[in-house]
Amino acid sequence: DSGVTQTPKHLITATGQRVTLRCSPRSGDLSVYWYQQSLDQGLQFLIQYYNGEERAKGNILERFSAQQFPDLHSELNLSSLELGDSALYFCASSVEPGGLETQYFGPGTRLLVL
Amino acid sequence: DAKTTQPTSMDCAEGRAANLPCNHSTISGNEYVYWYRQIHSQGPQYIIHGLKNNETNEMASLIITEDRKSSTLILPHATLRDTAVYYCIQTHAGGTSYGKLTFGQGTILTVHP
Repeated sequence: DSGVTQTPKHLITATGQRVTLRCSPRSGDLSVYWYQQSLDQGLQFLIQYYNGEERAKGNILERFSAQQFPDLHSELNLSSLELGDSALYFCASSVEPGGLETQYFGPGTRLLVL
Repeated sequence: DAKTTQPTSMDCAEGRAANLPCNHSTISGNEYVYWYRQIHSQGPQYIIHGLKNNETNEMASLIITEDRKSSTLILPHATLRDTAVYYCIQTHAGGTSYGKLTFGQGTILTVHP
């Protein structure tokens, strides 16, 4: 158990819908990262927040957005869903940006778009 | 894009050492080598990292060549639970990358009884 929690564990929805994935970082961690893992693209970095502010962006689609709240939990919003958005979405946390050795991953949310 | 190259798959007998190679010929002076592993769709798990010296922790050892262009992750006594995909990542610790990890395809390590 990494200490990072993600909800829900599984999500099934239809194309065109919108979903919200939630992540609670480890206690004391200020930085949250989101990653997407699909069969054809592998594990890809989406976006990072530190203490409520966006710090880095990766291959995140415009249909996707995220935020980190004052209590440090983060939400990843996926809208206008397409079949290709079906993937595992991981959240990771670390104490501070660049704390690579202390980047702990949650168990992931498996999204299936039908 | 991932900057490291790793074999697609490797096998190892239980109880033997597993030696996973990684090439990072473009590594710069301030980039580290990190190893993570992912056990069957679980979240990736940090294993070890190093800059230029060999490193050891409770999970593994990391041997980095003197020219830093390649490294080997060593699991000294592999168990069935070590069956996973192992990712070698070269990246800056901090700075403008702010800690994002760029994963390649990794090496699928299968530990046999």
